[in-house]
Amino acid sequence: AQSVTQPDIHITVSEGASLELRCNYSYGATPYLFWYVQSPGQGLQLLLKYFSGDTLVQGIKGFEAEFKRSQSSFNLRKPSVHWSDAAEYFCAVGPYNQGGKLIFGQGTELSVKP
Amino acid sequence: NAGVTQTPKFQVLKTGQSMTLQCAQDMNHNSMYWYRQDPGMGLRLIYYSASEGTTDKGEVPNGYNVSRLNKREFSLRLESAAPSQTSVYFCASSEGGLSAEAFFGQGTRLTVV
Repeated sequence: AQSVTQPDIHITVSEGASLELRCNYSYGATPYLFWYVQSPGQGLQLLLKYFSGDTLVQGIKGFEAEFKRSQSSFNLRKPSVHWSDAAEYFCAVGPYNQGGKLIFGQGTELSVKP
Repeated sequence: NAGVTQTPKFQVLKTGQSMTLQCAQDMNHNSMYWYRQDPGMGLRLIYYSASEGTTDKGEVPNGYNVSRLNKREFSLRLESAAPSQTSVYFCASSEGGLSAEAFFGQGTRLTVV
């Protein structure tokens, strides 16, 4: 079965601390992987995406993610969190030729302590 | 550039009523999608349209119908609303083809009482 698992429902970090959000996927074909961010009451904004090439991908707002095929993981990281990063983060997987036909994880809500 | 525009933003329906959620994109994208978002479940695909003139079921199509009116517009219809359809609905569009990502609208918060 195709699925995406985000094991952490809610994470709290202090401002300036590093962040890692976990994502594991199960997908029958070559995965096309995404991280989206959603601020309260807003739509989803793409942070970064990966299909092939360098397994460490850079995104917007200082985020990066690392694809590890052997672990079926695509974890999101940021070296230093800002208060404005508080939001909900979604990992998603889909087919390379239909980038909107996505399977989403349950989401991880990030809170940032001052 | 407006991107993906959804109307209405909020709606309250009574059980059994019908309504249509509207979505329009101005990016000349080929593919359009409807998702629903429920707490703890992420987003789930209801229907999608890979190109103008085609529609296909997603993961949770029961209770919904869609119409791809033209390249810009993709509507979602609830014929007889049920409380289980209380959700936030998102429309998205993508170029289609290789390596294209989806762009999302701001969502419609629907409550069925």
